[in-house]
Amino acid sequence: GAVVSQHPSWVICKSGTSVKIECRSLDFQATTMFWYRQFPKQSLMLMATSNEGSKATYEQGVEKDKFLINHASLTLSTLTVTSAHPEDSSFYICSAIGTSGRSDTQYFGPGTRLTVL
Amino acid sequence: GQNIDQPTEMTATEGAIVQINCTYQTSGFNGLFWYQQHAGEAPTFLSYNVLDGLEEKGRFSSFLSRSKGYSYLLLKELQMKDSASYLCAAETGANNLFFGTGTRLTVIP
Repeated sequence: GAVVSQHPSWVICKSGTSVKIECRSLDFQATTMFWYRQFPKQSLMLMATSNEGSKATYEQGVEKDKFLINHASLTLSTLTVTSAHPEDSSFYICSAIGTSGRSDTQYFGPGTRLTVL
Repeated sequence: GQNIDQPTEMTATEGAIVQINCTYQTSGFNGLFWYQQHAGEAPTFLSYNVLDGLEEKGRFSSFLSRSKGYSYLLLKELQMKDSASYLCAAETGANNLFFGTGTRLTVIP
């Protein structure tokens, strides 16, 4: 139980385009989902927290108009990187907390590697 | 400010025991997580300590001292597949995790 999937696993896009990343909880309902970013050899950095049906809470320094988060259902959250630039190239990972497994543990998706040319 | 310190890299021999230390200073603290992360993959949950003391789970054990702001992850009977990064993360608030930069462990034959 407590499986989280992400799609796509990797994406290459041109500068200025938008990219959407999906995060799904496959076998449980995710009341809260988290979006992290990880640059090479650096720690996971929380970008935002989203609860189903409400607006995401962004961490300081994360532009909410650039990183659009939608948590429309209890099994799906999406992150859209708008007008992507090379500095947005990173490993984006989502995690979820919900009705499966330990309620105090975040279960992570496999990540999405974004490369912006 | 918030800070988590853990060694950047460690090397150990297959079959041996290795201890990965983590010290933390955070504005809030509920508990301490350890995650394993293989290169290019998402972290997987290893352990969560809330109370002081040692918790054992198979080959992996985790220790916490809240008064010292200190934790360690102990890996026994090392296997080649244990080569990965090990992330220490402090739960600073309800479901809020602050991650360290991770310790890259290399297991050699």
